[in-house]
Amino acid sequence: EVQLVESGGGLVQPGGSLRLSCAASGFTFNSYEMNWVRQAPGKGLEWVSYISATGSDIRYADSVKGRFTMSRDNAKNSLYLQMDSLRAEDTAVYYCARAPDCTIGACFLDYWGQGTLITVSS
Amino acid sequence: DIVTTQSPDSLAVSLGERATINCKSSQSVLYSSNNKNYLAWYQQKPGQPPKLLIYWASTRQSGVPDRFSGSGSGTDFTLTISSLQAEDVAVYYCQQYYTTPWSFGQGTEVEIK
Repeated sequence: EVQLVESGGGLVQPGGSLRLSCAASGFTFNSYEMNWVRQAPGKGLEWVSYISATGSDIRYADSVKGRFTMSRDNAKNSLYLQMDSLRAEDTAVYYCARAPDCTIGACFLDYWGQGTLITVSS
Repeated sequence: DIVTTQSPDSLAVSLGERATINCKSSQSVLYSSNNKNYLAWYQQKPGQPPKLLIYWASTRQSGVPDRFSGSGSGTDFTLTISSLQAEDVAVYYCQQYYTTPWSFGQGTEVEIK
């Protein structure tokens, strides 16, 4: 069974940093592209970042570019999101989500974690 | 960037009746080399993560009931629930994955009339 479990959320002050983790199991992690998607309270979904299976290709939404860094450790079946210079508008539930195979264009998101809440407030 | 827009924002339908949600992309998401539309639909119930319903605009994900169907091509797409059930109360999102930044529609809330 595919499982994605996020951790690392919490309350942080504006300008602060936080590192999210996503532990993957039930599939061959190093064969799949991964994404972070966020959802502000009561709002819709916003794609945040993407990483290829090897980690060689990483992309970001303009809203987080230069502040967030996505990475993965295939040996640990883990995905990360380093979030720096946090702003109030970064407050959201952050989901990690798997893409089946972007090399053939299948970049829809077939499995999602339960999410972890980040609150940026003083 | 591709902008995806859904209509309506909310929809109230009687049990057993049809629900139709529209999604429009600001540019075509049809990839000519494989004739596939890079458009997905998700269902999100309160307190839960989104769940993939439809990909390639019309392919149902494994385990999704056949009352859910997707149609459309190019820039205009539709998600149809042929006979609304109580468990279908949720917010539905479309997403284009033709090019980054992937973009989601704003969501359509479906409730029982």
